[in-house]
Amino acid sequence: ILNVEQSPQSLHVQEGDSTNFTCSFPSSNFYALHWYRWETAKSPEALFVMTLNGDEKKKGRISATLNTKEGYSYLYIKGSQPEDSATYLCASLSGGYNKLIFGAGTRLAVHP
Amino acid sequence: DADVTQTPRNRITKTGKRIMLECSQTKGHDRMYWYRQDPGLGLRLIYYSFDVKDINKGEISDGYSVSRQAQAKFSLSLESAIPNQTALYFCATTPGTGSPDTQYFGPGTRLTVL
Repeated sequence: ILNVEQSPQSLHVQEGDSTNFTCSFPSSNFYALHWYRWETAKSPEALFVMTLNGDEKKKGRISATLNTKEGYSYLYIKGSQPEDSATYLCASLSGGYNKLIFGAGTRLAVHP
Repeated sequence: DADVTQTPRNRITKTGKRIMLECSQTKGHDRMYWYRQDPGLGLRLIYYSFDVKDINKGEISDGYSVSRQAQAKFSLSLESAIPNQTALYFCATTPGTGSPDTQYFGPGTRLTVL
């Protein structure tokens, strides 16, 4: 099973900063790329599901882009707020494996 | 009320004990999944079921078994728990149609095996 890699592993930013992190996934046999937001002691919640190369999705201050040819996706948060503090998970349906493969996540802490 | 519930939320047990984790959903989804999460690792798939009569092994099924008692219920059993099964366990559901495999997660069960 091919890996899904996320970087950085953790990130500390100040309130108001904009930030971004990366998800790398197998580019062969690509079908979909998911982003989830996971707050401590809560259920992971879906942010975006992306399927098309060049796709860009946005939800409030959070947006994501997708490059299926090179196998990466970026998640951007504009003007980070303390309530954005969470672990952001990406998961890929690609590489010929027909189930989602999750990355280890990027843990974001936004300090007031 | 939550759409996907898990019981118990926390459990401490001893090596060799049989443990059952339960998952229920009110979303009417056909597909259900069990994952485990370990620090520094992504969610790893243990078992999944696409309907009541369908059970499939995931990436790390050894040491686990499952039962799909109804569309709404999917249980995970550890027949003889061992310390390296200490982890956070998530149940998830997907509708099986529309948005590709978007997962709806339960709140998790934190299992500690001593």
